[in-house]
Amino acid sequence: GENVEQHPSTLSVQEGDSAVIKCTYSDSASNYFPWYKQELGKRPQLIIDIRSNVGEKKDQRIAVTLNKTAKHFSLHITETQPEDSAVYFCAASPPRGATNKLIFGTGTLLAVQP
Amino acid sequence: DTEVTQTPKHLVMGMTNKKSLKCEQHMGHRAMYWYKQKAKKPPELMFVYSYEKLSINESVPSRFSPECPNSSLLNLHLHALQPEDSALYLCASSEGRGGMIQETQYFGPGTRLLVL
Repeated sequence: GENVEQHPSTLSVQEGDSAVIKCTYSDSASNYFPWYKQELGKRPQLIIDIRSNVGEKKDQRIAVTLNKTAKHFSLHITETQPEDSAVYFCAASPPRGATNKLIFGTGTLLAVQP
Repeated sequence: DTEVTQTPKHLVMGMTNKKSLKCEQHMGHRAMYWYKQKAKKPPELMFVYSYEKLSINESVPSRFSPECPNSSLLNLHLHALQPEDSALYLCASSEGRGGMIQETQYFGPGTRLLVL
């Protein structure tokens, strides 16, 4: 089955710097890759997603890139702010079949220092 | 309404108790999910309902019993739990349109469960 690895497990940056989180997946048939942000004690919230027919997607300060050949995808946050501090989870979704399944990475704790 | 809601927010129960978690969405979604999340870990899928029918059970122990009474409601009945079942239980929903397109899942705030 699908397996997703995520690095780094913790990341500390200064406010205004960029942050990059990387994930690799094992199932080359996976074709949907969402990123969730989870603040302490809160629900996971979708911040951006990408499908395998696209190489890059951007939404304001957040971008995601996908390299299907290498089976990895990355989250890029520019001009980081203290409110970006949270745990970020990547996920991969194998082809749908009967239902919709997400395989999560292990998470990255991002700390943005003011 | 664009949110998934869950009740209660917190629950403390003994190992002999029976309790239920409730999840509700009014987005017209036809797929609903239960996840378990331990501290500092990603969510782990437990069950998936599609059009009120159970479509995935990730080998969850029978002390967890899901129920989907209608397309807006999802329950998780708990009985004879163990202390290691203490976790955040998250509900999620997605459109459930069918076909091969993976769908965005929207999460509720979770129920934080403590089993004593």
